[in-house]
Amino acid sequence: AQSVTQLGSHVSVSEGALVLLRCNYSSSVPPYLFWYVQYPNQGLQLLLKYTSAATLVKGINGFEAEFKKSETSFHLTKPSAHMSDAAEYFCAVSGSNDYKLSFGAGTTVTVRA
Amino acid sequence: GAVVSQHPSRVICKSGTSVKIECRSLDFQATTMFWYRQFPKKSLMLMATSNEGSKATYEQGVEKDKFLINHASLTLSTLTVTSAHPEDSSFYICSARDLGVMGQPQHFGDGTRLSIL
Repeated sequence: AQSVTQLGSHVSVSEGALVLLRCNYSSSVPPYLFWYVQYPNQGLQLLLKYTSAATLVKGINGFEAEFKKSETSFHLTKPSAHMSDAAEYFCAVSGSNDYKLSFGAGTTVTVRA
Repeated sequence: GAVVSQHPSRVICKSGTSVKIECRSLDFQATTMFWYRQFPKKSLMLMATSNEGSKATYEQGVEKDKFLINHASLTLSTLTVTSAHPEDSSFYICSARDLGVMGQPQHFGDGTRLSIL
């Protein structure tokens, strides 16, 4: 079984500051890991995914995430926050034999001008 | 990129009505689609896995006679909420699994806001 834990339900950053969203996973098989973003009253948009090809994954909108097996982590970062980054972010995990996604509880990002 | 279209985006109807929600993968074939329910300020709860040409697989606690799923083609899955009641009011989101991409990521529709009066 796979699961993820997102540390921090709410993150507030200043515009231009670093965005760091934490995600730790638990998986009995090599995992696939994903970060999704959700804007109000919309579905989820895939930001990036880890599929064992490279530990540092670059995604859309300037986001990237690093897979660290020793720490069972897949934290999401963006060097400089923009007002448009205000949204809900979900970390998710699936196994290579069962492609169901298990989502974290989500982290709400607010960006201060 | 992969696009999933979900329709309608919002439904308001009377108690006892049945409501059908469509989920289409527009530029890729999806043998597997998923239906989620999301409560306010909460994460997504998987309701069922929709399999093309076969019966859907429901998660524990989800009433299959209440939430009918049909996946008749490689690009279309439908969810019908039968005899809807106010407690069925929620945000329903579908996704489609992209088999042609490493990791088979799920691509999501924009959701349907269902309000039962």
